[in-house]
Amino acid sequence: AQSVAQPEDQVNVAEGNPLTVKCTYSVSGNPYLFWYVQYPNRGLQFLLKYITGDNLVKGSYGFEAEFNKSQTSFHLKKPSALVSDSALYFCAVRDNIPGGFKTIFGAGTRLFVKA
Amino acid sequence: DTGVSQDPRHKITKRGQNVTFRCDPISEHNRLYWYRQTLGQGPEFLTYFQNEAQLEKSRLLSDRFSAERPKGSFSTLEIQRTEQGDSAMYLCASSPNPAGTGGGNGYTFGSGTRLTVV
Repeated sequence: AQSVAQPEDQVNVAEGNPLTVKCTYSVSGNPYLFWYVQYPNRGLQFLLKYITGDNLVKGSYGFEAEFNKSQTSFHLKKPSALVSDSALYFCAVRDNIPGGFKTIFGAGTRLFVKA
Repeated sequence: DTGVSQDPRHKITKRGQNVTFRCDPISEHNRLYWYRQTLGQGPEFLTYFQNEAQLEKSRLLSDRFSAERPKGSFSTLEIQRTEQGDSAMYLCASSPNPAGTGGGNGYTFGSGTRLTVV
């Protein structure tokens, strides 16, 4: 069964500093991996995905994520945080197998960027 | 196309009443998903449609829950005999068929319907 873990409920970082939001996953096949962001009173927005190829994938708003197969991790990163990045971030995984269509979401990590 | 639309945005109902929510996906997306999100948690999968076919229903859904997508376009989610534990944000999402796009598409989510059962 698929599962995804976000070990940190909250991440605090100062504006201008690099940020990392952690995610580990478990799937039976090769994974499709995703990050979504949820701003207050707004819907979930797709940020980026890993399907295959380069382990470092780039997404919206300057975010990137690094896929590490041996550690089954897909951490979200940004070189320089902005106050406007403060939001709830969800890691998600889907099995890359025939019939695999269900995306499972982590519990979320709240990112707080302080000016 | 302005994205995934959900109606209503908010619904307050008395325990025991039936409620129905509607989702209009992006028109060219043939996959449609329903999720439920409670405060401080990630979205939980409820059910999934490919065109008009409901291909999976989560064990989270009791017999009081039913979803339809009769013409492969909009979808409805009905909750019968609502309970206070049904209070949550109900999210709809859609995605294109991956076969034509190389696989692994992200979802486009609607803004959700917030249900409060009193």
